[in-house]
Amino acid sequence: EPEVTQTPSHQVTQMGQEVILRCVPISNHLYFYWYRQILGQKVEFLVSFYNNEISEKSEIFDDQFSVERPDGSNFTLKIRSTKLEDSAMYFCASSEWTEGGYTFGSGTRLTVV
Amino acid sequence: RKEVEQDPGPFNVPEGATVAFNCTYSNSASQSFFWYRQDCRKEPKLLMSVYSSGNEDGRFTAQLNRASQYISLLIRDSKLSDSATYLCVVYGEYGNKLVFGAGTILRVKS
Repeated sequence: EPEVTQTPSHQVTQMGQEVILRCVPISNHLYFYWYRQILGQKVEFLVSFYNNEISEKSEIFDDQFSVERPDGSNFTLKIRSTKLEDSAMYFCASSEWTEGGYTFGSGTRLTVV
Repeated sequence: RKEVEQDPGPFNVPEGATVAFNCTYSNSASQSFFWYRQDCRKEPKLLMSVYSSGNEDGRFTAQLNRASQYISLLIRDSKLSDSATYLCVVYGEYGNKLVFGAGTILRVKS
């Protein structure tokens, strides 16, 4: 079964440092997403991406965040200057069409210290 | 705004029990509905889509009531392996994306 791959599985970073979270979506999917889940809280939407541009973003996705599809397979989330409150599980997802179910990657646990 | 609301539980049930979860959503224009399952510290996994006519997948039955803006999931003959958090998910609740409920915890005990 095709899957979404995320790396690294766990990243620890110092406050103020930049981090890049990487994702390889399912190859025939056209829509890509980042979600996050703070421990004990709900899964929250960050951003959606289609046709090499952001389709939609949440209030969480401020100027510290950016996404990029640098080549035909990778989809990255960059946090420019991490804060303690950015500590969370970050999930990448992809889908064939926008209103269908998404397939999620296994996540990157980001810990900001 | 209320978005997608679920009873957080936990629901503690014995093996073999039937258990039902409910979910409400606030935007009548929402288009697609799903139940996802999430194991502890893992990614959400699609359990099933939910259709107005109701749909069944083995021991799992999902129902959608658009008039009441209400979604349900019924699990029959619960197994220990059904223990997880069940997430009610709506597309089009606010924008063109999936919006997640906070989840309902199910614990099946022997």
